[in-house]
Amino acid sequence: QVQLQESGPGLVKPSETLSLTCTVSGGSISTYYWTWIRQPPGKGLEWIGYIYYTGSTNYNPSLKSRVTISVDRSKNQFSLKLSSVTAADTAVYYCVRWTVVTDAFDIWGQGTVVTVSS
Amino acid sequence: DIQMTQSPSSLSASVGDRVTITCRASQSISRYLNWYQQKPGKAPKLLIYGASSLQSGVPSRFSGSGSGTDFTLTISSLQVEDFATYYCQQSYSTPPWTFGQGTKVEIK
Repeated sequence: QVQLQESGPGLVKPSETLSLTCTVSGGSISTYYWTWIRQPPGKGLEWIGYIYYTGSTNYNPSLKSRVTISVDRSKNQFSLKLSSVTAADTAVYYCVRWTVVTDAFDIWGQGTVVTVSS
Repeated sequence: DIQMTQSPSSLSASVGDRVTITCRASQSISRYLNWYQQKPGKAPKLLIYGASSLQSGVPSRFSGSGSGTDFTLTISSLQVEDFATYYCQQSYSTPPWTFGQGTKVEIK
């Protein structure tokens, strides 16, 4: 059964770059769309962007200028970089699988808390 | 972007109650509507996709309906484990894919 696990620093300084990695286990990263979604404390869910295993990407326009998502098929991992962070970027970050079979987010990582603070 | 609006934002109900949550899209999204359940400190879980299809392993007391702009999630007989926050999400056309603001189901 496919599982996703986020990893990366839990604390990032303002103006720096947030970097997270998601490791896919129990299945191949090939096929499917791999996405990042975040949830600020006490708030709702925001889709950040996706990468297809071929490397094609699509980002939320609200974050597009600061976001980069990449994939490493040899390691079965994909990564998120968010630059010039502020306190508004403090959130739980989830890596999530999107499938065209259901057109839905069907498998979620447990989430990782990232706090932006000096 | 397509805006998703859920109502109510929160509700109180008792075990055994029938519960209905509504989600409205700012434009027609056909049946590209999904529902998720999130418990405190946990990741969301897919319940319903394509407006009315039950995800594998989800109890049959959950059901979804609707098309176009108006959708509902119904829990036919609320169980203790169903107290959670529920989100709708549209997957119509190209991203950005957007979520409703959530509906918190609490114990009366």
